[in-house]
Amino acid sequence: ETGVTQTPRHLVMGMTNKKSLKCEQHLGHNAMYWYKQSAKKPLELMFVYSLEERVENNSVPSRFSPECPNSSHLFLHLHTLQPEDSALYLCASSQELAGASYEQYFGPGTRLTVT
Amino acid sequence: GENVEQHPSTLSVQEGDSAVIKCTYSDSASNYFPWYKQELGKRPQLIIDIRSNVGEKKDQRIAVTLNKTAKHFSLHITETQPEDSAVYFCAANSGYALNFGKGTSLLVTP
Repeated sequence: ETGVTQTPRHLVMGMTNKKSLKCEQHLGHNAMYWYKQSAKKPLELMFVYSLEERVENNSVPSRFSPECPNSSHLFLHLHTLQPEDSALYLCASSQELAGASYEQYFGPGTRLTVT
Repeated sequence: GENVEQHPSTLSVQEGDSAVIKCTYSDSASNYFPWYKQELGKRPQLIIDIRSNVGEKKDQRIAVTLNKTAKHFSLHITETQPEDSAVYFCAANSGYALNFGKGTSLLVTP
């Protein structure tokens, strides 16, 4: 695999379930991001990590819990979600933080449906 | 956070015509402005970017202009083709990351 990969590609979960989304980047980048993409708010930034340290939490509800065990992997742990959380969740990475003008590379996304 | 406004939200042009998408930003410290293209069911991909030390950049049929004084930048696509149909997002760097506009759905009809 090359670039940024995400698993699973599709996920259906009930409101009481606990699941995790996984992202892996094969680019040697130091920064990783989670975005939520929905019809109402395209490309909504959720979390930013730089060298495994969270540098930004964009007012995301606590039912979303990120984890970055190393600079190549990023997880998003989900629990007690709401139907309005249904969306495409995109992971991205960049050489350094994108605020310093580095291109972001996106994964294919996980299409999440909360029933 | 800082805002990026993008217009129009939808744009329909005939093949061969030009398309223009405009964005404004609010963070005066922004100095990097990328444009991403997202085809249906696919991931966003960078198509062109511009930094604040230049006012215009061109790559074949795609060009981007930047007016730092007015805080706006635009994407110009000439000689449009059906494969240009997609959603286009502008962005500006702010803080640690990029702020994205809401996207423009471009449809190029044969």
